[in-house]
Amino acid sequence: GAGVSQSPSNKVTEKGKDVELRCDPISGHTALYWYRQSLGQGLEFLIYFQGNSAPDKSGLPSDRFSAERTGGSVSTLTIQRTQQEDSAVYLCASSLVGTGTEQFFGPGTRLTVL
Amino acid sequence: KNEVEQSPQNLTAQEGEFITINCSYSVGISALHWLQQHPGGGIVSLFMLSSGKKKHGRLIATINIQEKHSSLHITASHPRDSAVYICAVGGVAGGGADGLTFGKGTHLIIQP
Repeated sequence: GAGVSQSPSNKVTEKGKDVELRCDPISGHTALYWYRQSLGQGLEFLIYFQGNSAPDKSGLPSDRFSAERTGGSVSTLTIQRTQQEDSAVYLCASSLVGTGTEQFFGPGTRLTVL
Repeated sequence: KNEVEQSPQNLTAQEGEFITINCSYSVGISALHWLQQHPGGGIVSLFMLSSGKKKHGRLIATINIQEKHSSLHITASHPRDSAVYICAVGGVAGGGADGLTFGKGTHLIIQP
C-alpha cells in the first residue's frame, strides 16, 4: 500500500480482556515502531523492530504488553488483561532502514478500555 | 533518557505572521524530527534533520547540534497551519535504538 495502515481504527473492550492491534508497514521498510499517545503521557515509545534483529522492548510499560513481527512485515501488538489506563491511541510507524531515517506514521488505533 | 522540551506550549497568531517553535534536548542524538498533527488527525513527518537547515515550502527547520537546540519556522502563516507541532529526537549519538522521544507539542492556532 501507499502508507502505513493499522486495524482496527477503533477498539472498545472491557477491563481484563485481551486485545490485538495490527500494523501493516510500508512495503520495503525494514524498521517498525509502536508508540502510544494518551492524554496524560503524550506520545511515548513502546517497541522497535529492525530487520531480523531482536526487538527493542525497552518502552513496553508492563509484561502485559507484547509485540511480534512476522516475516519482517506485519506486526501485532497484544495487550493482555487490559486496564483502563491502557486507553490511548496506539500508533505504528515504519522507516526504510531505522536509525536516522524518516518515520511514516499510521492513522492509529484508538483503544478504549471500559 | 533524553529530555525534550518545547516552547511555547500554546501559540495563537494572526494570519501572515512569522512563527517560531523551539525545541531543546539533553543528550546527543542521531536525528531530530518535526511532526505535525491536525486535530483528530494522524501524525505527519515534516522534517528529519541531523545538522544545518532544511526548507519545504513555507516551513524551515534548523538545528544546532552543539547547543542541542532546534527551531521550526513558518513563514506567511495561514489558518490551515493550525495544528500541534511535535519535536522528537531519535537515537543516542553513537548508537542505540531509534525509538523516538517526544516533546509535549506546541498547539498552534492561526486566526484569519
